[in-house]
Amino acid sequence: AQKITQTQPGMFVQEKEAVTLDCTYDTSDQSYGLFWYKQPSSGEMIFLIYQGSYDEQNATEGRYSLNFQKARKSANLVISASQLGDSAMYFCAMREYLSGGSNYKLTFGKGTLLTVNP
Amino acid sequence: DAGVTQSPTHLIKTRGQQVTLRCSPKSGHDTVSWYQQALGQGPQFIFQYYEEEERQRGNFPDRFSGHQFPNYSSELNVNALLLGDSALYLCASSLGARRYGYTFGSGTRLTVV
Repeated sequence: AQKITQTQPGMFVQEKEAVTLDCTYDTSDQSYGLFWYKQPSSGEMIFLIYQGSYDEQNATEGRYSLNFQKARKSANLVISASQLGDSAMYFCAMREYLSGGSNYKLTFGKGTLLTVNP
Repeated sequence: DAGVTQSPTHLIKTRGQQVTLRCSPKSGHDTVSWYQQALGQGPQFIFQYYEEEERQRGNFPDRFSGHQFPNYSSELNVNALLLGDSALYLCASSLGARRYGYTFGSGTRLTVV
């Protein structure tokens, strides 16, 4: 069974500084995908970034980058130049395909609450 | 382009009652997945609907059931509510196994008293 571990219940960062949110995973699959989502207090899960297990380069999406270390089974999210609006819960998730088809489910970690201080 | 719409946004029910939550997927999406997110936890997979059939179920009892309509919208039904069913219920839609994953709605916050 797949497992996602986020060991940081809460993180604080000063505005305009960079922050790294940790994520480790466990799977026996050779092909897998890793996602990061942001969940503000409104509840909606907002997609941030995706990394495929066979992607040769670390994923980047604007101020978000994913530090993917396959041998260590880690997929840390790096947010550069933090903004006050980045304060939210952040979830790491892994994709698991269902019944051999093209549809899938996500297994989530417990999340990290990021607070950006002015 | 409307995203995923869920209704109602908040709901308070009494133990033993039944509840129905509704979800309209993003335009063009044909698959709907439901997740339960208890307070302080990550979302947990309940089940997924595709072509009006339940394709896969997570570790949830039969009190949780669902339906998908021809227009791809979906309902989640929970019978005999327990206090432990209090959670944020998230609906997510997708079109196959796309790289950028699901589009989530804002959820329905269910409180069972």
